[in-house]
Amino acid sequence: EAQVTQNPRYLITVTGKKLTVTCSQNMNHEYMSWYRQDPGLGLRQIYYSMNVEVTDKGDVPEGYKVSRKEKRNFPLILESPSPNQTSLYFCASSTGLARTGELFFGEGSRLTVL
Amino acid sequence: GNSVTQMEGPVTLSEEAFLTINCTYTATGYPSLFWYVQYPGEGLQLLLKATKADDKGSNKGFEATYRKETTSFHLEKGSVQVSDSAVYFCAFRMDTGRRALTFGSGTRLQVQP
Repeated sequence: EAQVTQNPRYLITVTGKKLTVTCSQNMNHEYMSWYRQDPGLGLRQIYYSMNVEVTDKGDVPEGYKVSRKEKRNFPLILESPSPNQTSLYFCASSTGLARTGELFFGEGSRLTVL
Repeated sequence: GNSVTQMEGPVTLSEEAFLTINCTYTATGYPSLFWYVQYPGEGLQLLLKATKADDKGSNKGFEATYRKETTSFHLEKGSVQVSDSAVYFCAFRMDTGRRALTFGSGTRLQVQP
C-alpha cells in the first residue's frame, strides 16, 4: 500500500530535549516536505527536499533541521525544542516537481513541548 | 505574496443540505488548485484538484471549478451527509520556487442528522 509513515504519532517532551520525528515513503517520490498545522493558520511549510541531499527552508524553518540521505526517508529534527513548537506535524511527498502533482500526507505527529 | 483565503467556519448544516465553501487565491503565476479534507484524528487526503482554467474537479459528490478570472475555486456539494463532517482545506501549488502547497486556514464542516 502506498503510504507516508510518520513516527511517533504522539509525543510529550520537555524544553531542550532533542527529538527526531521520522518520515518514510514507499512511493519512490523525489519531493518530500514537512508542514506544521496550528489552529487558524492552516498548514505552513517547515522544510522541503527536491531529491537526495537537496534540502531547503520553507516558511517557518527556525528551530528545525532536516536531512535527506536516502530517497525514502526525511526526518525532522528538533535540536532544542521549545513550547512554541507544540504543534501537529505532517510529512508529505510528491512524485516530481510539477505543480499538477498532488502531495500525499502522513497521518501526523502531535508534539507537545512542556 | 501568495495566499489562500477561505470562508471561516464552522459551517453547520443539516443532512442533505447544499454546501458551498468559498476559496479565493492570490498567486504570481499559474497554479494548480486543490481541495484537501481532514477527518477527525487523520491526515490530509486529496479530495479533488484542477490544473487549468475552467477545469472542474470532482470526487465523492464534491465539485469545484477553476475560475481564473475571479481567482476562485469554490467547493460545492449538492447534498451533504453526516460522514462529510471534517475540515476542508483549499490550496494551490506552483511550478516555481519551493513547490509547496500554499494552504488556506481550513473550514470546519459539521453536518447534523
